[in-house]
Amino acid sequence: DAMVIQNPRYQVTQFGKPVTLSCSQTLNHNVMYWYQQKSSQAPKLLFHYYDKDFNNEADTPDNFQSRRPNTSFCFLDIRSPGLGDAAMYLCATSSRRRQTNQPQHFGDGTRLSIL
Amino acid sequence: DQQVKQNSPSLSVQEGRISILNCDYTNSMFDYFLWYKKYPAEGPTFLISISSIKDKNEDGRFTVFLNKSAKHLSLHIVPSQPGDSAVYFCAARGNGAGSYQLTFGKGTKLSVIP
Repeated sequence: DAMVIQNPRYQVTQFGKPVTLSCSQTLNHNVMYWYQQKSSQAPKLLFHYYDKDFNNEADTPDNFQSRRPNTSFCFLDIRSPGLGDAAMYLCATSSRRRQTNQPQHFGDGTRLSIL
Repeated sequence: DQQVKQNSPSLSVQEGRISILNCDYTNSMFDYFLWYKKYPAEGPTFLISISSIKDKNEDGRFTVFLNKSAKHLSLHIVPSQPGDSAVYFCAARGNGAGSYQLTFGKGTKLSVIP
């Protein structure tokens, strides 16, 4: 089945130690998104790629970076994780930025814990 | 400021009955609304959507109603089944700058009691 795959499912890192989360997709979608979701909160968009065009949300901290080496893969890098960065990170894809009736497809997320 | 609000954090319904999940929004630029369902330890799964030019969309047991004047939408599940127990997120997309972005509510946890 075509899908969005996130690895790892659970990640533990130390305070201040860089960490990378990965996302791959077999849907061949143009757009890939990264969301942060904290407990009992709405998913919050961090940034997205339209093909290779990177779009950062205004309130996304500089600590968060992303790379998209090709259509299938997208990475979230947290340069110096703080305790407040502990959350579920969700990757999503869609076929076009504003195509009507084309929902975003989500992976199962990576739960990040900070020690 | 939350633009998409799901005011009920949780809802319990008896199996076979109707579940009604509500969502309010404040941004009149939203033109497309979606409901996602999320099981524990899984990502959100798309359930049903509605364009702002419609007031109802139905898919099997799931119906979404949109009341634009009230800036309110609801998801009806009839009949409710135990497998419907999950967190349901309402999401909205705008038609202006940043229209690629989905704005989510905080979710409503539905429990369907056998």
